[in-house]
Order: sequence, then structure tokens, then C-alpha cells
Amino acid sequence: DVQLVESGGGLVQPGGSLRLSCAASGFTFSSYWMTWVRQAPGKGLEWVANIKQDGSEKSYVDSVKGRFTISRDNAKNSLYLQMNSLRAEDTAVYYCTRGKPGIAAAVDWGQGTLLTVSS
Amino acid sequence: DIQMTQSPSSLSASVGDRVTITCRASQSISSYLNWYQQKPGKAPKLLIYTASSLQSGVPSRFSGSGSGTDFTLTISSLQPEDFATYYCQQSSSAPYSFGQGTKLEIK
Repeated sequence: DVQLVESGGGLVQPGGSLRLSCAASGFTFSSYWMTWVRQAPGKGLEWVANIKQDGSEKSYVDSVKGRFTISRDNAKNSLYLQMNSLRAEDTAVYYCTRGKPGIAAAVDWGQGTLLTVSS
Repeated sequence: DIQMTQSPSSLSASVGDRVTITCRASQSISSYLNWYQQKPGKAPKLLIYTASSLQSGVPSRFSGSGSGTDFTLTISSLQPEDFATYYCQQSSSAPYSFGQGTKLEIK
């Protein structure tokens, strides 16, 4: 079975940094696009960033460009999101997702990890 | 960037009803439109991809249609487990934006 397990969330002060991780299992990690999606408390879904199988292509939503960096380690079957200059509006549950081959649709989701940015 | 707008934002219906949710893109996205279902406290679940393809394991009462800028998700006969929030997402060009969601509630 596909498993995506996020970790690294927590409470951070505004302006701080944090790195989220996603441990993948049950599939050939290096064969799939991977994406981070977030959801602020009581709000809708927001697509954050994605990364190609070999890490050669990355895209970001405008609100995180220059502050967040998505990366992956195929040898460790892991996806990461380095988040810098955090703001209150970054407070959300962050989901790691696996892309459906050939389509930018999230076919598998982790359980999410909560990031709270507050002083 | 492409903006996605869903209507209605909320909807009350009864078990057995036929329900339609609409999603509109700010520019043509061909058939690159996906639908998700999310229940409280849970991760979203992919229902429909490329506008009308049913994801494996999803009941056939769910269907999708549309192309270009206008799309619909239809549930032919609502079941108790279908009361949830539904999101559309465009997968035409990054950033792959979501609609604001439609909350389907029991009447």
C-alpha cells in the first residue's frame, strides 16, 4: 500500500524557518511527481509546490516563491519543504501528495502535518 | 495564474437526491480538471480526473463533465457517506489551483 507520512510541523515564530519531511513507501518514489498542498484552519485547499521525478523541475504558488524550497531525495524516498521567512498566513496543515502519472492530480495523500506560525 | 470558481459554496440536499456542483476556470483548461472529496479531519480523496475519468474505487454515482472553462460534478443519488466538501482543481498549468470548495450538507 502507498504510504505518505509527513513530519516536522510545529509552532514557529513569524520570520522563522522550518523543514517539513514526507517519508514515502509502497511505490517507486523516483517515478512520480510529488506535490505539497496546504489547508489553513477552516479554509480550502491551496496548491503549494511540486517537483519532478528527478528534481529538475519545480513550481511554486506565488505566495511562497522565494521563501519555500521543495526538494527530494530519491535514495531516501523522501520529499521535503524548506520554509523560511514564515508568516502567520502560512499556518496550515501541509499535505504531501503523489501525482497520478501524466496528470497533475493528487492520487495519494498523507495525513498532514500542522504548522502554526505565531508569536 | 488560473483562478477556479465553484458554485454553490454550500448546498443542502437529501439522501437520494441528484446533485450538481459547478466549477469555472478563468481561462480555458481543456479537460485538465480534477475533483476531490474531503470529509472533516481527513485528507482529500481524488474522485474524478481529466474532467470525466472516474478514479479507481470511486462509486459510479459520481460523474464529471465539461471542457474549456465550465465543468460539473454530478452525484446521481446521494448516499449518507457523500456529505462532505468537494473541490475542483485545474491541472493545466502550474500553479495547479483549487476552487474554494462546495460544502454538501444534509437537508
